[in-house]
Amino acid sequence: QVQLVESGGGVVQPGRSLRLSCAASGFSFTSHAMHWVRQAPGKGLEWVAVIWSSGNNKYNSDAGRGRFTISRDNSKNTLYLQMNSLRAEDTAVYYCARVASGTYYFDYWGQGTLVTVSS
Amino acid sequence: QSALTQPASVSGSPGQSITISCTGTSSDVGGSNYVSWYQQHPDKAPKVMIYDVSNRPSGVSDRFSGSKSGNTASLTISGLQAEDEADYYCSSYTSGSTLLVFGGGTKLAVL
Repeated sequence: QVQLVESGGGVVQPGRSLRLSCAASGFSFTSHAMHWVRQAPGKGLEWVAVIWSSGNNKYNSDAGRGRFTISRDNSKNTLYLQMNSLRAEDTAVYYCARVASGTYYFDYWGQGTLVTVSS
Repeated sequence: QSALTQPASVSGSPGQSITISCTGTSSDVGGSNYVSWYQQHPDKAPKVMIYDVSNRPSGVSDRFSGSKSGNTASLTISGLQAEDEADYYCSSYTSGSTLLVFGGGTKLAVL
């Protein structure tokens, strides 16, 4: 069965960096674009970034552009999100999510990892 | 402020029908067939209920249906049940500066 397992969250000081990982299993990882979506405590969902299946094309939301870098290692079936210059407003649960082929909806989500930016 | 506008809350009694609206612009909802709806229970990951405006994934009850008119998409839940109580989010592909946008979410209460 499809599984997405995020890791790497925690408490970090403002201005520092953190790298999140998402281990994928149960499907052909190289056949799917992968996304990061976040949710601040008590708030709604916010799209963060996408990377297409080959890893050559990627795109960020305005919130993360210039600070967040999405990447993937297809040999390890793993998705990453490198987050630099973190701010208090980046505090959120970060989900990795798989997009169904040929469309733009998320058919599988991980359980999420909490990132708290605080001094 | 979210890119797509949803009512903050809706409510209904068991057995009734409710509709949640999702209003965007011609750059997203109005110009896209990639509108989806997600259900999220507390402390759980979202679950897709409707994709591509009106398609229902296998395993999702046929009590859930989606539609779109102009810049507004809608999710209708008929025959409300207690387990439908959750937060609901719409999402759309956008030709704007960001690839995907979500609505602010709607809390559904089943009274």
